[in-house]
Amino acid sequence: QKEVEQDPGPLSVPEGAIVSLNCTYSNSAFQYFMWYRQYSRKGPELLMYTYSSGNKEDGRFTAQVDKSSKYISLFIRDSQPSDSATYLCAMVSNDMRFGAGTRLTVKP
Amino acid sequence: GAVVSQHPSWVICKSGTSVKIECRSLDFQATTMFWYRQFPKQSLMLMATSNEGSKATYEQGVEKDKFLINHASLTLSTLTVTSAHPEDSSFYICSAQLAGLSREQFFGPGTRLTVL
Repeated sequence: QKEVEQDPGPLSVPEGAIVSLNCTYSNSAFQYFMWYRQYSRKGPELLMYTYSSGNKEDGRFTAQVDKSSKYISLFIRDSQPSDSATYLCAMVSNDMRFGAGTRLTVKP
Repeated sequence: GAVVSQHPSWVICKSGTSVKIECRSLDFQATTMFWYRQFPKQSLMLMATSNEGSKATYEQGVEKDKFLINHASLTLSTLTVTSAHPEDSSFYICSAQLAGLSREQFFGPGTRLTVL
């Protein structure tokens, strides 16, 4: 079993839709949780990071952590074509572990 | 915010030659940098962890004599692909870690290596 599981998609939604991206993990030692966005042929860009269970909001993005279920989510409201990218979850205990990444396409 | 640069952004070389890729943290000091490779439509694969002033720690299956890593200063790490072969063609990405508990990593823009 991988430490971090993420559905690679691809996920295609119409513009304006709410997008839900998820990761599950098995290592209860993970303390910090991050979401990165990676456009094609670019390096990943840090979007959100959270520490505790609960929600953290930043504009159209909401990161949610449920440590009891070992489950994290990233919600994108009012999705835009410019949100089309691969989204990677990442988690940190002693080291950082990445999910496989979910390819998202937002169609105009 | 924390900015990481990589140079070159792309390189094409002949089989058997060596290629050096530089990774710099521009506005912060990074005691730890990481090197990843990424094949098309796949996730990041950690190759090695580079600590300033010490030898790099390589992940299992990564040849340390082929992928030479030097972290000579708090803002610069280099990856040299020695005797490159076509199967080394990939997207190489570095990241630099902020000091502190969160261990956030900030990524460079990547270097696309094509070995002919």
